[in-house]
Amino acid sequence: GEDVEQSLFLSVREGDSSVINCTYTDSSSTYLYWYKQEPGAGLQLLTYIFSNMDMKQDQRLTVLLNKKDKHLSLRIADTQTGDSAIYFCAEAPGSWGKLQFGAGTQVVVTP
Amino acid sequence: EPEVTQTPSHQVTQMGQEVILRCVPISNHLYFYWYRQILGQKVEFLVSFYNNEISEKSEIFDDQFSVERPDGSNFTLKIRSTKLEDSAMYFCASSEATGPSYGYTFGSGTRLTVV
Repeated sequence: GEDVEQSLFLSVREGDSSVINCTYTDSSSTYLYWYKQEPGAGLQLLTYIFSNMDMKQDQRLTVLLNKKDKHLSLRIADTQTGDSAIYFCAEAPGSWGKLQFGAGTQVVVTP
Repeated sequence: EPEVTQTPSHQVTQMGQEVILRCVPISNHLYFYWYRQILGQKVEFLVSFYNNEISEKSEIFDDQFSVERPDGSNFTLKIRSTKLEDSAMYFCASSEATGPSYGYTFGSGTRLTVV
């Protein structure tokens, strides 16, 4: 079956790195995504990674993929207060439009 | 930057009533979606829509649900007879095409409360 799991909460100090973890079950997923939701806003696509990649870096964001363990992580370097949000991991198991989301990780950045 | 607009932001309705949630996708997008998130639970796929017909739907999307693109700009989700368990945040999304390089733009959601 398809399932995506995330830890629900992460507290991090401003300037530190944040690491948000996610596990998924569908090995047929070719793309995995990270979305960000700020209060009162929609889901914003942050980045995605193709399943034949181990790592993708985009400015302060680093995505690591361990396909063997079906583990995905998002690292945010130099976390800022504006990074406080809910972060969703999602996979696309065989159908582009049908994203399978995790429950989201609430990241709280403290000064 | 183009946005997906959803109205209303919050809707309260009595059990058994019909509700219509409205979305204005990005104008050149061709693929449209509805997702929902029950409080404290995961964001769940409901339905995808392309070329004026449903492409795929989930088990949640039963006969009580319907979608429509009544004109060139709106995309609506109708719940015929609401139940308490329909209370959730409903997200509309659109994309220019399918595939991750196009991305999916989500609206800010409509919070539906059924009382």
